[in-house]
Amino acid sequence: NAGVTQTPKFRVLKTGQSMTLLCAQDMNHEYMYWYRQDPGMGLRLIHYSVGEGTTAKGEVPDGYNVSRLKKQNFLLGLESAAPSQTSVYFCASSYPGGDGYGYTFGSGTRLTVV
Amino acid sequence: AQKVTQAQTEISVVEKEDVTLDCVYETRDTTYYLFWYKQPPSGELVFLIRRNSFDEQNEISGRYSWNFQKSTSSFNFTITASQVVDSAVYFCALYSGGYQKVTFGIGTKLQVIP
Repeated sequence: NAGVTQTPKFRVLKTGQSMTLLCAQDMNHEYMYWYRQDPGMGLRLIHYSVGEGTTAKGEVPDGYNVSRLKKQNFLLGLESAAPSQTSVYFCASSYPGGDGYGYTFGSGTRLTVV
Repeated sequence: AQKVTQAQTEISVVEKEDVTLDCVYETRDTTYYLFWYKQPPSGELVFLIRRNSFDEQNEISGRYSWNFQKSTSSFNFTITASQVVDSAVYFCALYSGGYQKVTFGIGTKLQVIP
């Protein structure tokens, strides 16, 4: 009964370092999403995937890459971290878009880039 | 394009007062879904309600109620007899099939003072 699991929960990076955030879901959802949450900005979509092997850009994709090699996993990569990427990152998954059933969110990853 | 506006960034009320959180949305689709999510201080995002565009019935769940009015493109959320545990950030969100993604408002931070 895990739902959506994000790892790690916290991370501090130095500018220029790289890292990968992992999102795993066990609900057989087709769609997966990465959002970032910043004060006064709400949640903004970074990238999303509508199925295994597919990815697409969201509202704020620059500086991030994603991969969906397996249906249950959606990875978010930062190749060269910048202080502007300090944020809380949320992964979500859902049934195929036509249902509009809403998301199941992970618990978030708090990333600080110094 | 689709857009969600939550004009109230922060609201403070005294415990037991009623409070309404406003949400105005924009979409060109005739089929869409509206959501409210709660984010308590612990940080997780909790799904509260989903409403589709064909169902304008108001909904009540305990102390929570939602008023959906297509004529004014609004989906407002009222908490009756507020409690300290209601203190959280509340997000209104919109999903439409043509866009295939959920767009979030910037959130309203509600503080309930004992």
